[in-house]
Amino acid sequence: EAGVAQSPRYKIIEKRQSVAFWCNPISGHATLYWYQQILGQGPKLLIQFQNNGVVDDSQLPKDRFSAERLKGVDSTLKIQPAKLEDSAVYLCASSFGGVLNEQFFGPGTRLTVL
Amino acid sequence: EDQVTQSPEALRLQEGESSSLNCSYTVSGLRGLFWYRQDPGKGPEFLFTLYSAGEEKEKERLKATITKKESFLHITAPKPEDSATYLCAVQVHSGNTPLVFGKGTRLSVIA
Repeated sequence: EAGVAQSPRYKIIEKRQSVAFWCNPISGHATLYWYQQILGQGPKLLIQFQNNGVVDDSQLPKDRFSAERLKGVDSTLKIQPAKLEDSAVYLCASSFGGVLNEQFFGPGTRLTVL
Repeated sequence: EDQVTQSPEALRLQEGESSSLNCSYTVSGLRGLFWYRQDPGKGPEFLFTLYSAGEEKEKERLKATITKKESFLHITAPKPEDSATYLCAVQVHSGNTPLVFGKGTRLSVIA
């Protein structure tokens, strides 16, 4: 079974530039999560989708971050404009939902903002 | 506020030296507690889910246990390939809510 796919794996940008990340979840998983992991910390949720609807985006900095999940499958996360403090690994995870709530993570995108 | 605290921050063991990692949690209503392993440059890899006090799960050299306030990840006779960061996370209320993670324990096993 294919895992969660993410691209790109690495991205280096200057502050105030824009960047986008892509995620393809495990087939059949209705729930998709984007987490931000700063070096030395555990992952922190940015946004959760159930199919193509937003369930929780309370910790998403909406003045600069946006995310969408078209057709309830793939998702993109965008940062515009980026700040130095956005340097982190952005992890996508998916789960089947319901009682089978184990979340499976992709390899992440490491973003460096200079 | 839901909180997860892991200790120690870092642990260095000799190969074959058994030990335990601790995860203390304060949550309003525990739905499940998860252990993940994270290797450098990779996403977290699912290990175990525990749902209620007294439950135990095992996988190779790893055994996870849970009480009403904390969980332990016991590592028996570790090998160098067990070196990784081990993350603990809790899920509250319902079965489709995000995970709240601790900061992790960095384990190094020396041959």
